[in-house]
Amino acid sequence: DGGITQSPKYLFRKEGQNVTLSCEQNLNHDAMYWYRQDPGQGLRLIYYSQIVNDFQKGDIAEGYSVSREKKESFPLTVTSAQKNPTAFYLCATRARGLSYEQYFGPGTRLTVT
Amino acid sequence: GQQVMQIPQYQHVQEGEDFTTYCNSSTTLSNIQWYKQRPGGHPVFLIQLVKSGEVKKQKRLTFQFGEAKKNSSLHITATQTTDVGTYFCAGYSGGSNYKLTFGKGTLLTVNP
Repeated sequence: DGGITQSPKYLFRKEGQNVTLSCEQNLNHDAMYWYRQDPGQGLRLIYYSQIVNDFQKGDIAEGYSVSREKKESFPLTVTSAQKNPTAFYLCATRARGLSYEQYFGPGTRLTVT
Repeated sequence: GQQVMQIPQYQHVQEGEDFTTYCNSSTTLSNIQWYKQRPGGHPVFLIQLVKSGEVKKQKRLTFQFGEAKKNSSLHITATQTTDVGTYFCAGYSGGSNYKLTFGKGTLLTVNP
């Protein structure tokens, strides 16, 4: 959504290579998330970060790594250990306050062959 | 862990017909949220329900939260082609307001 950028929109990699997906936000939100979406599936949580320099594993963290050195940025690395990396990756942020709604970036579609 | 189940997985309707999707959680939720994802797009927040038995309306959309806070529904009256997309429910539970668990979504297609 507005204020969250993910690049690139489409990414192609060869099997065995690590790849880093970018997520940048200017919403001043503390919490950031990475989700994976496969056809016919919901959104599955990979990692999330509540504040800078802190992050937690989600439900499917194996084969992925993250860092949170700046409030604005939460890059995701898909490592060669991830068995089925081809998917649509969505970054999100969460607002403070009572709503707890999440705002999503436009996503990166990763294809590994 | 927490599971959120959503039915049906797909629904095809004629324009003007009503549509309902149902969401059930394996655990009590502190709140439930609904998102819409247009084809090729990203999820967009629609609404949040917090109170037991709560009902909220947004034009032709009616959202309900069950009395036990374990189920929810989204009803669309007189569908339009602009309603096409996947509707997801998602909930926080277990005292965490950071980890949101999503259902698999209901894909709605509308025949004009």
